[in-house]
Amino acid sequence: GDSVTQMEGPVTLSEEAFLTINCTYTATGYPSLFWYVQYPGEGLQLLLKATKADDKGSNKGFEATYRKETTSFHLEKGSVQVSDSAVYFCALSPPYNFNKFYFGSGTKLNVKP
Amino acid sequence: SQTIHQWPATLVQPVGSPLSLECTVEGTSNPNLYWYRQAAGRGLQLLFYSVGIGQISSEVPQNLSASRPQDRQFILSSKKLLLSDSGFYLCAWLSRGHEKLFFGSGTQLSVL
Repeated sequence: GDSVTQMEGPVTLSEEAFLTINCTYTATGYPSLFWYVQYPGEGLQLLLKATKADDKGSNKGFEATYRKETTSFHLEKGSVQVSDSAVYFCALSPPYNFNKFYFGSGTKLNVKP
Repeated sequence: SQTIHQWPATLVQPVGSPLSLECTVEGTSNPNLYWYRQAAGRGLQLLFYSVGIGQISSEVPQNLSASRPQDRQFILSSKKLLLSDSGFYLCAWLSRGHEKLFFGSGTQLSVL
């Protein structure tokens, strides 16, 4: 079945460090891919998305590129801030049913000043 | 603007007791609605989704059920809670055409 696999956390970085959170997926066809972020005590909110191969989603300095050949959608940021501390979820919506959304297990990011 | 309300924020229930969690959406019509569960140390599990009144799709057979009695109301229920039902329950609605899920603030359920 369709699924998403994320690197386990927590990830601890110093402020201004480079961030990569790995995400790979299993799906038939070309799913839409997403990154959601959950700040402490809140629900999830969409960070960025990509709907076709080679698309790059970007928002708030975060980027992720849809790689069909490696079935990956890794999240990157060049310089993290303390305010980026949160849990990040990779997700997909399968092409056969865009009503469904499947999420990874989440990766907690701690950024220290 | 659209808002989503989910309550209660926290709930402690004994094993075997019933459950009713409610979610309502404002500012949109005929949304897709979703229930997810986030267990400790695990990711989000899709439990149910609904594309319209009375239309419920179940992803995982389990001790829970869902109902959609009104267009913007989605209810998660159980007749008898199990310890394994503990977790963080999130309601969400889908912005059609944008493939964007909007989440409520969640309900932390502890079954003791």
